[in-house]
Amino acid sequence: AQKITQTQPGMFVQEKEAVTLDCTYDTSDPSYGLFWYKQPSSGEMIFLIYQGSYDQQNATEGRYSLNFQKARKSANLVISASQLGDSAMYFCALRSNDYKLSFGAGTTVTVRA
Amino acid sequence: DSGVTQTPKHLITATGQRVTLRCSPRSGDLSVYWYQQSLDQGLQFLIQYYNGEERAKGNILERFSAQQFPDLHSELNLSSLELGDSALYFCASSVAGFTGLNEKLFFGSGTQLSVL
Repeated sequence: AQKITQTQPGMFVQEKEAVTLDCTYDTSDPSYGLFWYKQPSSGEMIFLIYQGSYDQQNATEGRYSLNFQKARKSANLVISASQLGDSAMYFCALRSNDYKLSFGAGTTVTVRA
Repeated sequence: DSGVTQTPKHLITATGQRVTLRCSPRSGDLSVYWYQQSLDQGLQFLIQYYNGEERAKGNILERFSAQQFPDLHSELNLSSLELGDSALYFCASSVAGFTGLNEKLFFGSGTQLSVL
């Protein structure tokens, strides 16, 4: 069984600063994929970024980047130049060989002006 | 807009009742997933359908059932409702769901169910 751990229930960040959201995972499968989703207060889940377990480079998508440390089983999301619209809940998710997508508990980010 | 449509957006009902949640996937997507989001359990995978057939099952209660119709829309039926069933129910879709680890899920806006 796979497990995804997000230890930060809530974080505050100043506008224009960077914030790192932690995610650790546990899986025995050699191949897996890691996802980050954003859930704003309106409720919908928005895909942000993907990292494959065999990808050589850390994934980046605009202001989002993933700090992937495979040996430590960690996939932290970095949001650079935070904006007020980044205030939301952020979920780390893992898919391995059973193809089910399992989510962590989430981290709430509040961006302050 | 993800292209996944869920109705209704809000549902208020009483204990013991039965409700049906509806989901239309993105055009071209064959897989539909149902997730339950509650404060104490987080986001829990319930069930996946692919092209009308059940593909994977998660933590779905026996009181809950789902199906995917020939036009690929899906319905989640919740019966004998209890207070603890109050949650946000998400539908998601993807092209297939088992052809690649990188396959993204696109989520609908959810149905907020309140059982009183």
